[in-house]
Amino acid sequence: AQTVTQSQPEMSVQEAETVTLSCTYDTSESDYYLFWYKQPPSRQMILVIRQEAYKQQNATENRFSVNFQKAAKSFSLKISDSQLGDAAMYFCAYRSFDFGNEKLTFGTGTRLTIIP
Amino acid sequence: DTGVSQDPRHKITKRGQNVTFRCDPISEHNRLYWYRQTLGQGPEFLTYFQNEAQLEKSRLLSDRFSAERPKGSFSTLEIQRTEQGDSAMYLCASSLTGTANEKLFFGSGTQLSVL
Repeated sequence: AQTVTQSQPEMSVQEAETVTLSCTYDTSESDYYLFWYKQPPSRQMILVIRQEAYKQQNATENRFSVNFQKAAKSFSLKISDSQLGDAAMYFCAYRSFDFGNEKLTFGTGTRLTIIP
Repeated sequence: DTGVSQDPRHKITKRGQNVTFRCDPISEHNRLYWYRQTLGQGPEFLTYFQNEAQLEKSRLLSDRFSAERPKGSFSTLEIQRTEQGDSAMYLCASSLTGTANEKLFFGSGTQLSVL
């Protein structure tokens, strides 16, 4: 079974600064997807960024980028130029590449606070 | 695209009562998922449907839990004889398979409190 570990329950960053959230995972599969989701107080999970394991290139979405280290099974999220609206719970998630096994396995989350 | 909607947003019930939650996915989405999220944890997979067929159920889904998606549109999750341990947020999500960049859209959840 796959597991996802987020070792930072809470992080804080000054507005406009850069912060990195950590995630490690365990799997025996070679092909899979990794995700970062944001959950603001409204409770709705919002996809931040997605990485396919077969891609060497790290995914980027505007101010959000990942550092994907497949051998180390590490998938960190970097948020540049932090904004007040970035304050939320952030969850790392894993999904198998296999058809019929599309459920997401989530980590326990990191609460990100933005300091004005 | 009105997003995934869940009803009710909050539900308070007494132990032993039955409760039912509803999820309306994005209209053209054929996949529908239920997750449960307890305080301080990430969401945990419960079950999912492709159209009206329930394709997988987690071990977390005890016999007291039943989910349906009768016409491949909305879904209901029923919990019978609720227990205090059932207190959690129940999240629904939907997606459209076969797209190049399949994306999961979540609703805002139903927060269940069992007294």
